[in-house]
Amino acid sequence: DAGVTQSPTHLIKTRGQQVTLRCSPKSGHDTVSWYQQALGQGPQFIFQYYEEEERQRGNFPDRFSGHQFPNYSSELNVNALLLGDSALYLCASSLGGARYGYTFGSGTRLTVV
Amino acid sequence: GESVGLHLPTLSVQEGDNSIINCAYSNSASDYFIWYKQESGKGPQFIIDIRSNMDKRQGQRVTVLLNKTVKHLSLQIAATQPGDSAVYFCAEIPSGGGADGLTFGKGTHLIIQP
Repeated sequence: DAGVTQSPTHLIKTRGQQVTLRCSPKSGHDTVSWYQQALGQGPQFIFQYYEEEERQRGNFPDRFSGHQFPNYSSELNVNALLLGDSALYLCASSLGGARYGYTFGSGTRLTVV
Repeated sequence: GESVGLHLPTLSVQEGDNSIINCAYSNSASDYFIWYKQESGKGPQFIIDIRSNMDKRQGQRVTVLLNKTVKHLSLQIAATQPGDSAVYFCAEIPSGGGADGLTFGKGTHLIIQP
């Protein structure tokens, strides 16, 4: 049973560029949530996608956007990258729009230089 | 704003001893709490959860205690093993829905001494 798969595992971008991160949920899950984890901090909720719509959103600017595809996979897009966007981006899948029963992926480490 | 926090950033224990990791929360509207373990290079892994209508829940070698009076949550790990070395986070979900997903604390790094 495949868990949550995220790609790429590491990424280096230049300030001002745009980035797309990808997530495939655990088999049987239909909901994807994205979290940002700065070094030495706990994860912070970005948004959740369920039924191909953004259902919930945390305190992140519009530069952060996402998408969910019919196969439940999801993308996180960040425009106009800032140095402060450097972090581990975690994808968590769950069932039925739930915020519990998460399975987390191992994350994408984004470094903005 | 309200947030979940932890008392100690690092906890060092001897292998075989019991570990107690603490968490203070300030959102009295939270009704569901979860402990996660995060090993280096990995995402958070569910350990145990507890609802606000309970004050204790036990799992395999782990126990979570909830004291709503003082808004305190703790994770007890029995007979700590080297594989328990990780950062431990508590997280909460407010009741009544809301748009914030899980709120995580900053984490406690558990170090196991041989």
